[in-house]
Amino acid sequence: GESVGLHLPTLSVQEGDNSIINCAYSNSASDYFIWYKQESGKGPQFIIDIRSNMDKRQGQRVTVLLNKTVKHLSLQIAATQPGDSAVYFCAETNTGFQKLVFGTGTRLLVSP
Amino acid sequence: DGGITQSPKYLFRKEGQNVTLSCEQNLNHDAMYWYRQDPGQGLRLIYYSQIVNDFQKGDIAEGYSVSREKKESFPLTVTSAQKNPTAFYLCASSSGGGAGGIQYFGAGTRLSVL
Repeated sequence: GESVGLHLPTLSVQEGDNSIINCAYSNSASDYFIWYKQESGKGPQFIIDIRSNMDKRQGQRVTVLLNKTVKHLSLQIAATQPGDSAVYFCAETNTGFQKLVFGTGTRLLVSP
Repeated sequence: DGGITQSPKYLFRKEGQNVTLSCEQNLNHDAMYWYRQDPGQGLRLIYYSQIVNDFQKGDIAEGYSVSREKKESFPLTVTSAQKNPTAFYLCASSSGGGAGGIQYFGAGTRLSVL
């Protein structure tokens, strides 16, 4: 079936570096994507979203890039901080589809 | 936790017992969802509800039941038919399904089997 997957299960960076977390999706009909951050023992928190009519969207220290040609999504975190350490999930859906499909997640480890 | 309250935080189930996990939201959201998360894995959809008095099975509904009698409440019952219930359970709500709204999550309930 359709699924969302991630290239790297764990990403280790130094504090202050920029982090890039990748996500591949397989459903070409998906037109809405969300990134979530989940800290240990907590529920996922919304970070940023993007619709398929956009290639890039920026938030505070985060940028999401969407490449529909290769069905690839990425989350860039600028000046990564220890508090950014968490598991990051991408999720996809499309207009009229009532469910989000979540990827398996990437663990980001930030060393001081 | 975005106005979504899950209780209890920890729950223990004896063999053959049914247990109910609570989820309440004060966001006036129409849609509510239940997910199961196993260690080191992503979220799998158990049940969802787009409107009061209506709900649909997700990808792993077997062994679970839900009700949606009130807009703000969507309790999940883990029945004795669920043979491997140990997991982290997450409830979410949104203003609409699919691209209609971002899902906001509660803090989760960790269920263990005695």
